[in-house]
Amino acid sequence: DTGVSQDPRHKITKRGQNVTFRCDPISEHNRLYWYRQTLGQGPEFLTYFQNEAQLEKSRLLSDRFSAERPKGSFSTLEIQRTEQGDSAMYLCASSSLGGGYQPQHFGDGTRLSIL
Amino acid sequence: EDKVVQSPLSLVVHEGDTVTLNCSYEVTNFRSLLWYKQEKKAPTFLFMLTSSGIEKKSGRLSSILDKKELFSILNITATQTGDSAVYLCAVVQGGSEKLVFGKGTKLTVNP
Repeated sequence: DTGVSQDPRHKITKRGQNVTFRCDPISEHNRLYWYRQTLGQGPEFLTYFQNEAQLEKSRLLSDRFSAERPKGSFSTLEIQRTEQGDSAMYLCASSSLGGGYQPQHFGDGTRLSIL
Repeated sequence: EDKVVQSPLSLVVHEGDTVTLNCSYEVTNFRSLLWYKQEKKAPTFLFMLTSSGIEKKSGRLSSILDKKELFSILNITATQTGDSAVYLCAVVQGGSEKLVFGKGTKLTVNP
């Protein structure tokens, strides 16, 4: 299967701890996105990369959140000093860089639970 | 601020019924509208609509966009239990790559 891969699938941690998630996009996709989804809501955009450059970042993204894509392949999303409100599903998506808008394809997500 | 409103939020039907899901939007410099199906895990891509009045079709699913009235509909005919899912509508603004999603419509198809 060559879809978007996310790791871990589930993460349970105590409030105040740091967590890091990984996303491996579809291999030929240049663009990579992070979203957050809470129960009963649609995914909410966090940030996106084109190759290794972070080109767009949500104004809602706290400075406790940081994302990297150092070699333009996989990406990591780190949350520092986690809070109860960070509990959510973190979704990664990727898309190709082609003529016109290319649809995003999502991974299965990492479910974060803060105790 | 960009806004996507889906209705109904929840719908319960019997197998074989036809359903219509609605998506209205307000976005500056509209670029595209996308529909996704989410069954507990990853949203899976269904359709992308950019032009008004052109129906996209895949099997029992079809969708159309009205850029004048700022809405789209997703139709599912002869529903099956496997169609049970949350259907998400999202829009893309010109000059941006991010998707702005609605809350989704939760469809339950009973046998």
